[in-house]
Amino acid sequence: GENVEQHPSTLSVQEGDSAVIKCTYSDSASNYFPWYKQELGKRPQLIIDIRSNVGEKKDQRIAVTLNKTAKHFSLHITETQPEDSAVYFCAARANFGNEKLTFGTGTRLTIIP
Amino acid sequence: NAGVTQTPKFQVLKTGQSMTLQCAQDMNHEYMSWYRQDPGMGLRLIHYSVGAGITDQGEVPNGYNVSRSTTEDFPLRLLSAAPSQTSVYFCASRRQENTEAFFGQGTRLTVV
Repeated sequence: GENVEQHPSTLSVQEGDSAVIKCTYSDSASNYFPWYKQELGKRPQLIIDIRSNVGEKKDQRIAVTLNKTAKHFSLHITETQPEDSAVYFCAARANFGNEKLTFGTGTRLTIIP
Repeated sequence: NAGVTQTPKFQVLKTGQSMTLQCAQDMNHEYMSWYRQDPGMGLRLIHYSVGAGITDQGEVPNGYNVSRSTTEDFPLRLLSAAPSQTSVYFCASRRQENTEAFFGQGTRLTVV
């Protein structure tokens, strides 16, 4: 089955700096890669996703890049703000037509004012 | 729309007890899933369903049962609770394969 590895497990950055979280996946057939943000005590919520037919996607301060050859994808947050502090999860969907969304183990991002 | 609603929010069980975690969605989503979240292990898929009457196992199905008699509801049953099932459980639904998954607010379960 699919295996998703996520690094780092914790990340602290100064407010205003950029943060990068990286994930690798094992199944070359994976074609959907979402990122979820989970604030303390709350439910995960989608912040951005990318499909295998594109290499990069941006939404304001957030961007995701995908390298299918190397089987890795990354989340980039620019101009970080205190409200960006949360746990971020990457995920990959292994096979077309099923619901097996495999998540990484999460990155706890702390923005230092 | 209420989205995805889970009940209860908190539950304490004794070892060996059984219970059902409820999940309902009002978005007419075909796909529904149950995940458990443990520290340092991310979200792991327990069971999922691609439509009424269709369920399948995820990554960690042992000790859990599911059924999907309607599009709206996807209950998760713990057959005989064990301390290893202490976790936060999330139900999620989505419209089709490559679309956003909407999560419920979670159920924090403690088995003593």
